[in-house]
Amino acid sequence: DVKVTQSSRYLVKRTGEKVFLECVQDMDHENMFWYRQDPGLGLRLIYFSYDVKMKEKGDIPEGYSVSREKKERFSLILESASTNQTSMYLCASRPTRGYTFGSGTRLTVV
Amino acid sequence: DAKTTQPPSMDCAEGRAANLPCNHSTISGNEYVYWYRQIHSQGPQYIIHGLKNNETNEMASLIITEDRKSSTLILPHATLRDTAVYYCIVRQNYGGATNKLIFGTGTLLAVQP
Repeated sequence: DVKVTQSSRYLVKRTGEKVFLECVQDMDHENMFWYRQDPGLGLRLIYFSYDVKMKEKGDIPEGYSVSREKKERFSLILESASTNQTSMYLCASRPTRGYTFGSGTRLTVV
Repeated sequence: DAKTTQPPSMDCAEGRAANLPCNHSTISGNEYVYWYRQIHSQGPQYIIHGLKNNETNEMASLIITEDRKSSTLILPHATLRDTAVYYCIVRQNYGGATNKLIFGTGTLLAVQP
């Protein structure tokens, strides 16, 4: 089975900190995605990547950047964390059938 | 972009079939219908997908109407562990290089003992 692993389950950061959320997949997939999930808003796409060093903005990229230096790793970066970035962050990888999601990182910015 | 409409919540008795409806009236000819579910505190899990024919796998069945404007996910014998938010999604092609999913707010299925 494909595994998508997110490095942290829970994270608490201070306003203004630079935050790195890491995601690793073990099946050599080209496409990887970062979503955030908020009550009443469902999942919203932040960024995605379809190959190493390639990235595309999703629907809500503001305040975020990403890095894809290796195929298996897709990092989401909050350059200067703000309280409105408190959310559940989900990473996904795409094989030929459906997407596989990680377990999520619940980030709280205080 | 095709969007989907689902009821916000449904109840189902344990052991009975759960039928979850989804409307996607603006779907285009090359767009697939995907279903995912998300159990509390976990990432979404793929269930099934289809284009125009009905599909069945070990988890569920997917019935797509002939005009493709709506579909129904069927869990034939719901268990308490099927309690989750179920998302109906129409897959969008983006730039030809990848396919991103647009999630709505889904249907919270509560399976009752």
